[in-house]
Amino acid sequence: NAGVTQTPKFQVLKTGQSMTLQCAQDMNHNSMYWYRQDPGMGLRLIYYSASEGTTDKGEVPNGYNVSRLNKREFSLRLESAAPSQTSVYFCASSPGTVNSPLHFGNGTRLTVT
Amino acid sequence: DQQVKQNSPSLSVQEGRISILNCDYTNSMFDYFLWYKKYPAEGPTFLISISSIKDKNEDGRFTVFLNKSAKHLSLHIVPSQPGDSAVYFCAASGDSNYQLIWGAGTKLIIKP
Repeated sequence: NAGVTQTPKFQVLKTGQSMTLQCAQDMNHNSMYWYRQDPGMGLRLIYYSASEGTTDKGEVPNGYNVSRLNKREFSLRLESAAPSQTSVYFCASSPGTVNSPLHFGNGTRLTVT
Repeated sequence: DQQVKQNSPSLSVQEGRISILNCDYTNSMFDYFLWYKKYPAEGPTFLISISSIKDKNEDGRFTVFLNKSAKHLSLHIVPSQPGDSAVYFCAASGDSNYQLIWGAGTKLIIKP
């Protein structure tokens, strides 16, 4: 049982390049999330998908787009990467019931030069 | 404006002693609080939670205390073990089931 799988683990981009971060969960969870973690700060929510077919903005959505491809997969796209998007990105999933804990992937470390 | 604050970036505790990690919040609408533990190069994992209708929740060596009037919660680990060395995040939720607000984390180091 893999849980939440993120790819790639590491990525280096030049300013202006685009890329998609992939996330898949095998727990049949309804809700999925994308967070970023920066030094000295808590995790900040970029986008979430409460259920298949829906997506909503979180706290820091600018510069990102998401796709809930199906119940298992939720991708995060950077259309034109900026140095301010250098961060560690975490995907998470949850059953979606009230106050159900999140299950996280191991993260993608992205550097934009 | 940080709504959830963990004021100690790091904490060092002797193995076998009690570890106490603190978390303060400013938003009185928060009604559910969670602690997550994170090892290097891994994602956070859920540890323990507490609802605002309680003031204490216990799970084995881990106990979370909530003081609503002070807007303060703490995580107690007794006894501390080497495997407890990790970063601990406090998180809170309020009117949205989907948007947790996270503290910056406290790095706990358990000394042998």
